Amino acid sequence: EAGVTQSPTHLIKTRGQQATLRCSPISGHTSVYWYQQALGLGLQFLLWYDEGEERNRGNFPPRFSGRQFPNYSSELNVNALELEDSALYLCASSILTGGGYEQYFGPGTRLTVT
Amino acid sequence: DAKTTQPTSMDCAEGRAANLPCNHSTISGNEYVYWYRQIHSQGPQYIIHGLKNNETNEMASLIITEDRKSSTLILPHATLRDTAVYYCIAERGGGADGLTFGKGTHLIIQP
Repeated sequence: EAGVTQSPTHLIKTRGQQATLRCSPISGHTSVYWYQQALGLGLQFLLWYDEGEERNRGNFPPRFSGRQFPNYSSELNVNALELEDSALYLCASSILTGGGYEQYFGPGTRLTVT
Repeated sequence: DAKTTQPTSMDCAEGRAANLPCNHSTISGNEYVYWYRQIHSQGPQYIIHGLKNNETNEMASLIITEDRKSSTLILPHATLRDTAVYYCIAERGGGADGLTFGKGTHLIIQP
């Protein structure tokens, strides 16, 4: 079974530009989560999509947005990039099992803003 | 989500059982205990989760105290590949809040 995939692996942008990151969940998973892991910091929850709808978002400004497609893949868009947006962006897909949500993470996209 | 407290780092000899403690004294009745690990620069890996009962899978065992205020993750036969940061997370089962990752425990397996 294929795991969660993310593209691109690395992305270099300049300040003020827009970045688009992509995620394909595990087959059968309908929920996708996005997290940011800045250097030296813990993972921070960004967004949760389920069945094509944004269900919740973390404490991030509106320039972080995304969408989920009918095939449950997802896109994260970061507008007006700032230097502090440089981080590893992780996508996870999940499935409900016995009342808990196991999240399976992809390898991440490393975004560098110069 | 309830706050969890873990030791910053731990060492364990290869082949021995690694026991990683976690305190979650403010956990509420509908919060599960999840364990994930992250090997340097990779995405976190799900290990195990539980609500009240002890749980075991092919990777590890999870022991939750009766009052649910603490838990222990047990890796029965640690290998060098188990060196990673281990995160204990208390989170509601609905998935709505995302996972709150703290600083975790850096487990170092010594040869």
